[in-house]
Amino acid sequence: DAGVTQSPTHLIKTRGQQVTLRCSPKSGHDTVSWYQQALGQGPQFIFQYYEEEERQRGNFPDRFSGHQFPNYSSELNVNALLLGDSALYLCASSGLLADTQYFGPGTRLTVL
Amino acid sequence: RKEVEQDPGPFNVPEGATVAFNCTYSNSASQSFFWYRQDCRKEPKLLMSVYSSGNEDGRFTAQLNRASQYISLLIRDSKLSDSATYLCVASSASKIIFGSGTRLSIRP
Repeated sequence: DAGVTQSPTHLIKTRGQQVTLRCSPKSGHDTVSWYQQALGQGPQFIFQYYEEEERQRGNFPDRFSGHQFPNYSSELNVNALLLGDSALYLCASSGLLADTQYFGPGTRLTVL
Repeated sequence: RKEVEQDPGPFNVPEGATVAFNCTYSNSASQSFFWYRQDCRKEPKLLMSVYSSGNEDGRFTAQLNRASQYISLLIRDSKLSDSATYLCVASSASKIIFGSGTRLSIRP
């Protein structure tokens, strides 16, 4: 039973560029949430997707957008990258009726 | 003020000691609560959910006090492998908020 997977593992971009991160949820899960974790901080909720729609959103600008596909996998897109976007991006999946989230290993994004 | 606040620590305790963490939340609409542990440069892993009646899982006990809006985690007979950052989570219908974490270091 595969857990949550994310790709790529690491990514280096320059300011102003755009990035797409990918996530496949745990088998049987239909809800995907994305988080940004800066060094020394807890994960900050970006948004959550269910049935291919954004269901909840945290306090992140519109530069952060996402998508969920019919197979429940998801993408996080960040436009016009800033130095402050450098962080670990975590994806978590859950079943609709369960609050419990399981995290993937994350994508470490560095913006130069 | 942060919506979920934790003492960042670090807590440095000897093996075998009992250690307790508290976490406060400000959103009274929060419905679900959890403790996660996170090892250095790894993803958070669910430790336990927190229920109003309190719940125990081996050496770990979690409590929720809705009136005072705090969550606690007690670790008994601590092991070296308990060294990690412990994150508390308060979740409502509209958002999921993590605390910044409490660092725990167990020394031999």
